[in-house]
Amino acid sequence: DAGITQSPRHKVTETGTPVTLRCHQTENHRYMYWYRQDPGHGLRLIHYSYGVKDTDKGEVSDGYSVSRSKTEDFLLTLESATSSQTSVYFCAISYQLNTGELFFGEGSRLTVL
Amino acid sequence: QQQVKQSPQSLIVQKGGISIINCAYENTAFDYFPWYQQFPGKGPALLIAIRPDVSEKKEGRFTISFNKSAKQFSLHIMDSQPGDSATYFCAAGAGGSNYKLTFGKGTLLTVNP
Repeated sequence: DAGITQSPRHKVTETGTPVTLRCHQTENHRYMYWYRQDPGHGLRLIHYSYGVKDTDKGEVSDGYSVSRSKTEDFLLTLESATSSQTSVYFCAISYQLNTGELFFGEGSRLTVL
Repeated sequence: QQQVKQSPQSLIVQKGGISIINCAYENTAFDYFPWYQQFPGKGPALLIAIRPDVSEKKEGRFTISFNKSAKQFSLHIMDSQPGDSATYFCAAGAGGSNYKLTFGKGTLLTVNP
């Protein structure tokens, strides 16, 4: 366990509603990431953060925003959820600078009806 | 553009057999090649990783073979066990100040007893 907690773990919502997923780490690590996992697509990077208030887009960032006001928390927001955003969302942290060693949370399953 | 291509999508192996999963990449700037293992309902976990300065890395029953000129790398699982049944993801990353991984689409491995 890398000290990563995702919440909620499961959520069902309706199209057009806002949704926020939270990733909390207890390890005080600088790098945090949000990925989504879909059958046939593997893991795709949505957004990542390299420090408080420092974030950048990944390959599938449209429809998502993120915020990081504290080192330990990285929030992923869907401003207006769509059915195409039904997915399992994983938060990850990186322990070391300039390495690809990621430690993942247990995921948040989001269903948009 | 899919930067990391993984095959096969699924693989069935008998207990004691060898499981082989292959990946190919396009970006020559990649300098880190990890494999992740994921069990149902869990987040991916780092299994083994290699950098391009070596052609092979072995950890227990798991071996990565790396061919820089062909831009290919593979995971070999020797003496495969039912407990190895999981989804395996290859990934590739490039160094720099904002490290990101690009994942393959995954291989579902089933090891029959």
